[in-house]
Amino acid sequence: KQEVTQIPAALSVPEGENLVLNCSFTDSAIYNLQWFRQDPGKGLTSLLLIQSSQREQTSGRLNASLDKSSGRSTLYIAASQPGDSATYLCAVRNYGQNFVFGPGTRLSVLP
Amino acid sequence: DTAVSQTPKYLVTQMGNDKSIKCEQNLGHDTMYWYKQDSKKFLKIMFSYNNKELIINETVPNRFSPKSPDKAHLNLHINSLELGDSAVYFCASSPGRSTSGANVLTFGAGSRLTVL
Repeated sequence: KQEVTQIPAALSVPEGENLVLNCSFTDSAIYNLQWFRQDPGKGLTSLLLIQSSQREQTSGRLNASLDKSSGRSTLYIAASQPGDSATYLCAVRNYGQNFVFGPGTRLSVLP
Repeated sequence: DTAVSQTPKYLVTQMGNDKSIKCEQNLGHDTMYWYKQDSKKFLKIMFSYNNKELIINETVPNRFSPKSPDKAHLNLHINSLELGDSAVYFCASSPGRSTSGANVLTFGAGSRLTVL
């Protein structure tokens, strides 16, 4: 059974810093991995989707990497802004299965 | 134009009541889902529907029943509500079958259910 963990649970950084969020999964036979952002009281917004054959995906200041063999993905946020404050969730999908979500990392970017 | 819309956004009700949450998507997606996010913020899948066919039910009590009148709608009906049903329920959709393809999930804004 796939299990997804995210470290740290919460992170607070000053504006302008680069930061890395971590996602680990126990079953490396994944089909793809998706990073989401959730604002308080809101739904989830898809940020990046990485297929199992890919090593990374980039969108603006966001870069997600995938290392299947070690069961890890990272989300790199460059030049963080207060508007980046949110909870970031990763979700992993194995073949023939639905997405399994991690517990999320709550990010606060201080002005 | 909201891609995945859910109503109501907030629902407060008494134990034992029956309630429904509606979901509609205008993306032309083939598969729709219901997820539950509990007080600890864990997000877990409850159902997925593809072309009116239930394809996964993840150990959800039979008090919960998804109803899909057409491909664009997946409503969640809950009978005999219990305190433990209090949570935020999210509807989502994806282009293909739930277990194939490069399926990007698109979520609704959530419906917060409080059972008193």
